[in-house]
Amino acid sequence: DQQVKQNSPSLSVQEGRISILNCDYTNSMFDYFLWYKKYPAEGPTFLISISSIKDKNEDGRFTVFLNKSAKHLSLHIVPSQPGDSAVYFCAASAYPTGNTPLVFGKGTRLSVIA
Amino acid sequence: DGGITQSPKYLFRKEGQNVTLSCEQNLNHDAMYWYRQDPGQGLRLIYYSQIVNDFQKGDIAEGYSVSREKKESFPLTVTSAQKNPTAFYLCASRQVSPSQPQHFGDGTRLSIL
Repeated sequence: DQQVKQNSPSLSVQEGRISILNCDYTNSMFDYFLWYKKYPAEGPTFLISISSIKDKNEDGRFTVFLNKSAKHLSLHIVPSQPGDSAVYFCAASAYPTGNTPLVFGKGTRLSVIA
Repeated sequence: DGGITQSPKYLFRKEGQNVTLSCEQNLNHDAMYWYRQDPGQGLRLIYYSQIVNDFQKGDIAEGYSVSREKKESFPLTVTSAQKNPTAFYLCASRQVSPSQPQHFGDGTRLSIL
């Protein structure tokens, strides 16, 4: 049973607009959440994270929102750029604050169209 | 530059052979991980190690083996018992402290001849 779900396999967005990638989780013990970006034939690159004591974390064009009651998080990219085109993975880890191995979703392929 | 090195980038194996994938890190991280990625799938955990000379099975450990004799090295052996070994294999490491992300190598693609 998938503990981390990314229900949209793909997303297309115009350059300059907002990209919103969604992720749901089922394990209430998760307390640390991360987003990774992956290009083909390369390893994932860490983008941004959030711990369960926060509901928002921002880093430049990237913002992650966490809704613990809904067990939902989202990644916002504003403005979207063609170089953002990649597969984005949501990941989660359980108490104590990320010391258990990450559990990954299946990824969402983002295409930013110029 | 600090980082995680996986070698080789591409690897071919004949049926019935064991093959070992290398993973080396110079980040002084305590924990190391092996994941497998298949098309349309997320990253699935094979084995992980939080400390030298200790490791735990992940979700799909059958047909794989690991060792952790040195802090910086965590080789993965794909044995002949692994029935579907063709995949992209990723090694990661992290510092075992709260809220520290995993960092990944660039992966090894294993194919069966």
